[in-house]
Amino acid sequence: AQSVTQLDSQVPVFEEAPVELRCNYSSSVSVYLFWYVQYPNQGLQLLLKYLSGSTLVKGINGFEAEFNKSQTSFHLRKPSVHISDTAEYFCAVSFGNEKLTFGTGTRLTIIP
Amino acid sequence: EPEVTQTPSHQVTQMGQEVILRCVPISNHLYFYWYRQILGQKVEFLVSFYNNEISEKSEIFDDQFSVERPDGSNFTLKIRSTKLEDSAMYFCASISLAVTDTQYFGPGTRLTVL
Repeated sequence: AQSVTQLDSQVPVFEEAPVELRCNYSSSVSVYLFWYVQYPNQGLQLLLKYLSGSTLVKGINGFEAEFNKSQTSFHLRKPSVHISDTAEYFCAVSFGNEKLTFGTGTRLTIIP
Repeated sequence: EPEVTQTPSHQVTQMGQEVILRCVPISNHLYFYWYRQILGQKVEFLVSFYNNEISEKSEIFDDQFSVERPDGSNFTLKIRSTKLEDSAMYFCASISLAVTDTQYFGPGTRLTVL
């Protein structure tokens, strides 16, 4: 069985400061890893994904994430956040075309 | 860019009533999914559907739920007799045969059961 842990339910960050949103997973098999973003009153948008290969993946809106197999982590980072980054961020895992298993989400609040 | 669409965006119903939530997946996609998100909670898998049959379903997907692909474009989720606890945002997602690693989500239907 797969599971995803997002320890930080809320992260306040000053505008233009860097941010890291943490994600840890557990799985008995190799998985695909994803970060989705949910803006207020909207659906889920794919930010980035790790399937294989380079452990540093770049996504949309300046976000990147690093896969660390030994620590079973897939933390999301952005060097300088903007007001428009205010949203809920979900880490998720899957295997191939199977279901996505989501974490509980991290609400990122940008402080002007 | 093709998108997954869902209708209605918001549905209000009385407890015990039947509701049908509709999704139009991206046209060349063949795997379909329903997820739900109760307010303030995480997104949970309900069911996956391929080749006109259910591939996998979660414990949440009991006999009150059913899915159907009535024609070549729509994918529906029916709740036969809604309960208060069915109030949630319901998301449809789809995957293509060519790129099976990424699910594309619709904007969701907010279901409110009174």
